[in-house]
Amino acid sequence: GDSVTQMEGPVTLSEEAFLTINCTYTATGYPSLFWYVQYPGEGLQLLLKATKADDKGSNKGFEATYRKETTSFHLEKGSVQVSDSAVYFCALSPNDYKLSFGAGTTVTVRA
Amino acid sequence: NAGVTQTPKFQVLKTGQSMTLQCAQDMNHNSMYWYRQDPGMGLRLIYYSASEGTTDKGEVPDGYNVSRLKKQNFLLGLESAAPSQTSVYFCASKTSGTDTQYFGPGTRLTVL
Repeated sequence: GDSVTQMEGPVTLSEEAFLTINCTYTATGYPSLFWYVQYPGEGLQLLLKATKADDKGSNKGFEATYRKETTSFHLEKGSVQVSDSAVYFCALSPNDYKLSFGAGTTVTVRA
Repeated sequence: NAGVTQTPKFQVLKTGQSMTLQCAQDMNHNSMYWYRQDPGMGLRLIYYSASEGTTDKGEVPDGYNVSRLKKQNFLLGLESAAPSQTSVYFCASKTSGTDTQYFGPGTRLTVL
């Protein structure tokens, strides 16, 4: 079945460091891919998405590129801030109804 | 717009008790979802509803029931709570034909 595997955390970084969170997926067909973010004590928010191969999603300085050849959708940010501390979830949507989530990666950014 | 709201925010139950978690959305979305979030397991789909009056099982439906009598509300019931149902529960909704789900703030449930 469809599944998402993402880099295990926790990840701890200093401010202005480069962040990469790896995400790979298994799916039949061509799913849409997402990164959701969960700030402490809150629900999930859509961070960015890509709907077809080679698409790049971007938001708030974060980027991820849909790589069909490597079945990956890695999340990157060039210079993190303390306010980026959160749990990040990679997800895929194989159809109109469902989302399948990865386990989540906890990121802590220290000043 | 309030978006997706959930009540209660926190709940403690004893084993065997029943309760209903409530979810409401004011975005006129057709589809609604219930997930549970457990450490190291991401979010797992319990039930979903593609439209008012219809519901379908997700990955982990055992021990739960749902009701979608009104378009804006999706209720999750626990008939006889078990410690294994200790979790954070999230409701989400979206418009049919789109792929972005909007999440509520969650309900933290503890079953003793």
